[in-house]
Amino acid sequence: AQSVTQLDSQVPVFEEAPVELRCNYSSSVSVYLFWYVQYPNQGLQLLLKYLSGSTLVKGINGFEAEFNKSQTSFHLRKPSVHISDTAEYFCAVSSNDYKLSFGAGTTVTVRA
Amino acid sequence: ETGVTQTPRHLVMGMTNKKSLKCEQHLGHNAMYWYKQSAKKPLELMFVYSLEERVENNSVPSRFSPECPNSSHLFLHLHTLQPEDSALYLCASSQSQGRGETQYFGPGTRLLVL
Repeated sequence: AQSVTQLDSQVPVFEEAPVELRCNYSSSVSVYLFWYVQYPNQGLQLLLKYLSGSTLVKGINGFEAEFNKSQTSFHLRKPSVHISDTAEYFCAVSSNDYKLSFGAGTTVTVRA
Repeated sequence: ETGVTQTPRHLVMGMTNKKSLKCEQHLGHNAMYWYKQSAKKPLELMFVYSLEERVENNSVPSRFSPECPNSSHLFLHLHTLQPEDSALYLCASSQSQGRGETQYFGPGTRLLVL
């Protein structure tokens, strides 16, 4: 069985400041890892995913994430946020099959 | 229309009502999913269809009944729901039911059961 823990439920951040959203997973087998974003009143949209290869993954809107197998983590970062980055962010993992296990989400609020 | 659409966007129903949620994908995908999203909880996978066949029923109560008449459309029929069923219901699709496939989500139907 796999599970995902998003360590911060809410992250307030000022505009143009960096942000890091933490995600840890548990799985006994190899994993695929995803970050999705949900803007207000919208569905989830893929930011980036790790399947194999380089552990540093670049996604849309200036986001990147690093897969750390030894720490079973997949933290998401952005060096400078905008007001428009205000949203809920979900980490997800799939291990043995197509099913995604999602974390509970991190709400990012960007303030001017 | 592009992507994944869902109707209605909002729905209020009594516990004795029967209603249906509709999802349509315009991406040519072969797999479709229903998820339940409750506040501050992880998304819960409810049903999965691949090539119009149900491949997953994740211990969902029988008051939820899915239907997939073709690869572009997915319905969720609701009957005698409970207040705890109030949530955002998300539909998603993917090219195939494969590991690592990106799932594309609709905007959801916000359901309130009174």
